[in-house]
Amino acid sequence: AQSVAQPEDQVNVAEGNPLTVKCTYSVSGNPYLFWYVQYPNRGLQFLLKYITGDNLVKGSYGFEAEFNKSQTSFHLKKPSALVSDSALYFCAVRDMSGGYNKLIFGAGTRLAVHP
Amino acid sequence: KAGVTQTPRYLIKTRGQQVTLSCSPISGHRSVSWYQQTPGQGLQFLFEYFSETQRNKGNFPGRFSGRQFSNSRSEMNVSTLELGDSALYLCASSPTRERRATNEKLFFGSGTQLSVL
Repeated sequence: AQSVAQPEDQVNVAEGNPLTVKCTYSVSGNPYLFWYVQYPNRGLQFLLKYITGDNLVKGSYGFEAEFNKSQTSFHLKKPSALVSDSALYFCAVRDMSGGYNKLIFGAGTRLAVHP
Repeated sequence: KAGVTQTPRYLIKTRGQQVTLSCSPISGHRSVSWYQQTPGQGLQFLFEYFSETQRNKGNFPGRFSGRQFSNSRSEMNVSTLELGDSALYLCASSPTRERRATNEKLFFGSGTQLSVL
């Protein structure tokens, strides 16, 4: 079965510093990977996706993610964190079992950016 | 375009009752998925509907059911509520035209926060 793991419940970063939110995956076949963000009292918002091609994927709000096949990782990164980036981040993988696709989400990582 | 709309925003029920949640997808989107979000379990897939047919179902008991109408609006129902059903229920829509579309993103509503007392 397809799955993703987010090993950190929370990541703390000072504003202006680079941030990394980790994600590892386990899939059979080619991985289709996604990052979503959830702000307080809101639904999830799409950040970026990896389907194929360049290992570095650029997304919304200055975020990017690096796909590493040998390490089965898809870490989310941003060169300079903002306080407004504080939110809950979810990594997800597309599961095609059963003939139709659905997203399998990780448990989420809470990002706290301090002034 | 209006986003995904979920109603009601908050619900308080007691054990044993049943509840119906509503989701209106983005205009033109025909696929609607439901997820349960809890602090301990994260996001768990409930089911997905496309053109009024359930295409995919997660590992939830039969107390959880759903349906989709001809205008793509969807409802989910939970019968005989248990304390453990307290969660944020999220609905997501996508335009999905292909059976095995691999790269389409989901558009989420703000959710319905269900509390079971």
